[in-house]
Amino acid sequence: EVQLVESGGGLVQTGGSLRLSCAASGFTFSNYWMSWVRQAPGKGLEWVANLEENGNYKQYADSVKGRFTISRDNAKDSLFLQMNSLRVEDTAVYYCARVITAHDYGDYWGQGTLVTVSS
Amino acid sequence: EIVLTQSPATLSLSPGERATLSCRASQSVSTYVAWYQQKRGQAPRLLIYDASSRATGIPARFSGSGSGTDFTLTISSLEPEDFAVYYCQQAKTFGQGTKVEI
Repeated sequence: EVQLVESGGGLVQTGGSLRLSCAASGFTFSNYWMSWVRQAPGKGLEWVANLEENGNYKQYADSVKGRFTISRDNAKDSLFLQMNSLRVEDTAVYYCARVITAHDYGDYWGQGTLVTVSS
Repeated sequence: EIVLTQSPATLSLSPGERATLSCRASQSVSTYVAWYQQKRGQAPRLLIYDASSRATGIPARFSGSGSGTDFTLTISSLEPEDFAVYYCQQAKTFGQGTKVEI
């Protein structure tokens, strides 16, 4: 059974940092692109970042470029999101998702971890 | 940048009725559209990809159609568990969602 479990969310002040983790199991992690997608309270879905299988090619939304870094450890079946210079508007539930095809479809999602940025 | 516009924002229906949700792209995206269902407090679930392919384990009452700029998700006969918010996606862009409510 495919499972994705996020952790690392919490309350942080504006300008602070957090590192999110996503532990994967039930599939060959190193064979898949992975994504982070977020959802602000009461709002829709927003794509944040993608990472290819080997961890070399990364894509970011303009809203997080230069502040967030996506990475992975294939030996530990884990995905990460380092978030620096956090802003109030980064407050959201952050989901990791397994990506299928070249068109960024997320076929499995974690339960999400809440990041709250306070001023 | 492609913009996806979903309509209606809210769809009020009863169990057993047919639901038709629309997603319009600001430019042609061929058939590269996915649909997700999200229930309150849960993660999104992939229903349809490439406009009309059902994801693993998705019931046959869910179907997708369209190409170019106009796409449709149809739920042939609503079950109580189908009342949720539905999002379309094209690459890194999501629509704003359609809430299907009783």
